[in-house]
Amino acid sequence: IAGITQAPTSQILAAGRRMTLRCTQDMRHNAMYWYRQDLGLGLRLIHYSNTAGTTGKGEVPDGYSVSRANTDDFPLTLASAVPSQTSVYFCASSESSGPTDTQYFGPGTRLTVL
Amino acid sequence: GQNIDQPTEMTATEGAIVQINCTYQTSGFNGLFWYQQHAGEAPTFLSYNVLDGLEEKGRFSSFLSRSKGYSYLLLKELQMKDSASYLCAAQDSNYQLIWGAGTKLIIKP
Repeated sequence: IAGITQAPTSQILAAGRRMTLRCTQDMRHNAMYWYRQDLGLGLRLIHYSNTAGTTGKGEVPDGYSVSRANTDDFPLTLASAVPSQTSVYFCASSESSGPTDTQYFGPGTRLTVL
Repeated sequence: GQNIDQPTEMTATEGAIVQINCTYQTSGFNGLFWYQQHAGEAPTFLSYNVLDGLEEKGRFSSFLSRSKGYSYLLLKELQMKDSASYLCAAQDSNYQLIWGAGTKLIIKP
């Protein structure tokens, strides 16, 4: 693995179902992030983690949860999916959460909730 | 509130120069990032500015004026592969990135 991987690549989900999007990085970065990207809007931060064992809420956290049990993995869970969660989800990581730290992005997961 | 403004779409000709502007208002400021995003792909890092002035990196340059809350990305000698969206993001006082909606750049032969 080189960089960040996300799974699945795409998914169609029935409303009300539970879904976990997976994110793994092999760069030993301390900070990780989940964004959603919708047409006409900028990337919006859902949740973040500055280091393993800690998480924080971003701009649009409702309906989503995360965990950070170790450095490499940062799964995003939709407890009960709704159509407004249809979006492209990007996971990103950076060496730390301070200034100058560049965020590197995974390839994204395209999620459709029907 | 926090806000990033950049044009929705721009068109330019292959071989020409284009300047993509970005204005920002954030709670505190710790730097300005530019990313490139090809359709259907992930954003990739282009540049970072924290001090006023111009940073040049090959065909791409980025400028920052902190007093004006303004940045631009300058692309020279445009190539067809430069057709992409260009995302401006300002880092606020909590080191979170506030993102613009992106500028879609269309390159015509």
